[in-house]
Amino acid sequence: QVQLQESGPGLVKPSQTLSLTCTVSGGSISNGNYFWSWIRQPAGKGLEWIGRIYSSRGTNYNPSLKSRVTISMDTSKNQFSLKLSSVTAADTAIYYCARDFSGSYYFFDNWGQGTLVTVSS
Amino acid sequence: DIQMTQSPSSVSASVGDRITITCRASQGVSSWLAWYQQKPGKAPKLLIYGASSLQSGVPSRLSGSGSGTDFTLTISSLQPEDLGTYYCQQGDSFPRTFGQGTKVEIK
Repeated sequence: QVQLQESGPGLVKPSQTLSLTCTVSGGSISNGNYFWSWIRQPAGKGLEWIGRIYSSRGTNYNPSLKSRVTISMDTSKNQFSLKLSSVTAADTAIYYCARDFSGSYYFFDNWGQGTLVTVSS
Repeated sequence: DIQMTQSPSSVSASVGDRITITCRASQGVSSWLAWYQQKPGKAPKLLIYGASSLQSGVPSRLSGSGSGTDFTLTISSLQPEDLGTYYCQQGDSFPRTFGQGTKVEIK
């Protein structure tokens, strides 16, 4: 069973860059029909897809965040990462990494537990 | 972006009741529709994909139907473990988008 675990600072100052890493265990991020996504959820609100990466097919980003987002992958560590620049209080949320199946169907079938990131000075 | 609209926003029902949650897409998404359950303090859990295919391990009292713009999630006999917030998600186009959620409470 694939497991995902987010890690990174829980507090980021306004205008700085939020950096998170997702470590995948129980399967290789290089194999199969899977992309690897980041999704966030402000407290008490709904889910927002941030973007995704696949090693040989590149990335897709949410246009609403595209100018500030970079998702990268380190296959040697079986990790993928999120960088979100110029953060404001509106970026305060629980950030999830998720396995993104994109083949004959499209869904997120494995999620990390989530990590709360607060943007505050 | 494709807007996903769920109704109702919340439902309170008794154990054993049948409940239905509706998800409407602002444009057709074929059958590229998934449903998730999120319990308080936990990550979402995939329930249904392809509008009607049950994810492994999900109880058969849950079912999904629909295509195009209109979809439903039905719980045939509500159980205490079904409490939580349910989200639909379209996989037809980018950006992937979710409904605003339907909170299910047990009376």
